[in-house]
Amino acid sequence: DAKTTQPPSMDCAEGRAANLPCNHSTISGNEYVYWYRQIHSQGPQYIIHGLKNNETNEMASLIITEDRKSSTLILPHATLRDTAVYYCIVRVEPGGGADGLTFGKGTHLIIQP
Amino acid sequence: DTAVSQTPKYLVTQMGNDKSIKCEQNLGHDTMYWYKQDSKKFLKIMFSYNNKELIINETVPNRFSPKSPDKAHLNLHINSLELGDSAVYFCASSQSVPDTQYFGPGTRLTVL
Repeated sequence: DAKTTQPPSMDCAEGRAANLPCNHSTISGNEYVYWYRQIHSQGPQYIIHGLKNNETNEMASLIITEDRKSSTLILPHATLRDTAVYYCIVRVEPGGGADGLTFGKGTHLIIQP
Repeated sequence: DTAVSQTPKYLVTQMGNDKSIKCEQNLGHDTMYWYKQDSKKFLKIMFSYNNKELIINETVPNRFSPKSPDKAHLNLHINSLELGDSAVYFCASSQSVPDTQYFGPGTRLTVL
């Protein structure tokens, strides 16, 4: 799986949009971009994933650049409960294997009141 | 209903003991996993298992062994516990397609 680079920490004001960047310059054509987060003392939680088109669900939006070398996770209206470590993970297409996720260090997002 | 559950939530034991952590998922998924999160918060895959294959991370000592009595359960057995085994262990499950993983709440293991 391709390696990802994320800033170690970010702050965002409550109610504002949180934009979390991720670089994955070595991504392959069959690799998807996944985002998970881990709230303190809880298990990781799936947020969203995409291949090349932008994606949106009830939690967040995922913007992938045209060359697919980077992406941005957007939490449109951040709340205090969104404080967590956010992991950007690149991996082979779903169903490509029963291997586990490779977590990096992630970005510690702190939502300020 | 809890999708992925683990027991116990906390486990404190002495070095050299043998212990087990249980995991159950009620999502009907066909693949289950065990992850270890150490004191530095690095989260690493230990095993993944479905009814076809067991994939073992080569860095996992053979004192650790997963056992699956049925598709909904994947238990983790640890023999001869060592101080370095202290960590939070997470179970997860997914369907092969799509393979979004759902994690349990974790089991904090402390070896004294």
